[in-house]
Amino acid sequence: AQKVTQAQTEISVVEKEDVTLDCVYETRDTTYYLFWYKQPPSGELVFLIRRNSFDEQNEISGRYSWNFQKSTSSFNFTITASQVVDSAVYFCALLVFWSGTALIFGKGTTLSVSS
Amino acid sequence: DVKVTQSSRYLVKRTGEKVFLECVQDMDHENMFWYRQDPGLGLRLIYFSYDVKMKEKGDIPEGYSVSREKKERFSLILESASTNQTSMYLCASSLGTAPTMNTEAFFGQGTRLTVV
Repeated sequence: AQKVTQAQTEISVVEKEDVTLDCVYETRDTTYYLFWYKQPPSGELVFLIRRNSFDEQNEISGRYSWNFQKSTSSFNFTITASQVVDSAVYFCALLVFWSGTALIFGKGTTLSVSS
Repeated sequence: DVKVTQSSRYLVKRTGEKVFLECVQDMDHENMFWYRQDPGLGLRLIYFSYDVKMKEKGDIPEGYSVSREKKERFSLILESASTNQTSMYLCASSLGTAPTMNTEAFFGQGTRLTVV
C-alpha cells in the first residue's frame, strides 16, 4: 500500500524565520515520483516540484529547497526567510509507477507566516 | 499554460438533488481526476479517467459517478446529494502515465459545494 504522512498539521512562524515541512512516504515500489503542491487561500493547488525515485539530489529554487532521502523515505521541504505570502496549505504527494496515474496526497500542513 | 476550469466556484444544493460538477481542460491531457478535500483529511481521490469513456474508482467513489464523453471534459455527478457530501471538490488533469516525466497534475480552482 502507498501512503503519505505529513505529521505537522499546522505551523506558525514569524517572517524571516526558516521553516521545514516534513513528508514521509510509504511504498514498496522502486519507481515512483514525489511532489509538493501549494494551496494558497484562493484554493487552487500550485505545483512546486517533482522528484523521481532515482534522483536523490537535493534541489534549491530561490527560497525553497527540498531534501529527498530514500533511506528514511522522506521528502522534506524548507522555506528560507519565510514571507507572509508563503502562508498556505502545503501538500506532499506520491505517484507510484505501477499503480496508475493518480496522486496520493498527504493530509497537508497549514503554514501561517505572520509579520 | 495548462488550464483546468471548473464550472462553478460555489454551489448550494438541496438534499436529494442530482448535482453535476463540470471540469474542462485545454491541453489534450489523457488523465483527469476528481478529488474531494476536507479539513484534516487532505485530498481523497473519488474517480479518475485515463481515456474517453474510461473511468476508475478512487478511494471514495460511493455516492458519486462520473462521465467522460469527450477528452477535455470530465463530469462528477452526485446522484442524490447528501449533507455529508458538503466539501471542496477539485478537478485535475495530467498528461501521460507514470513512465513519462509529464506526470504532474494541474488543478482547477475548486468548487465549494454545500448541501443543505
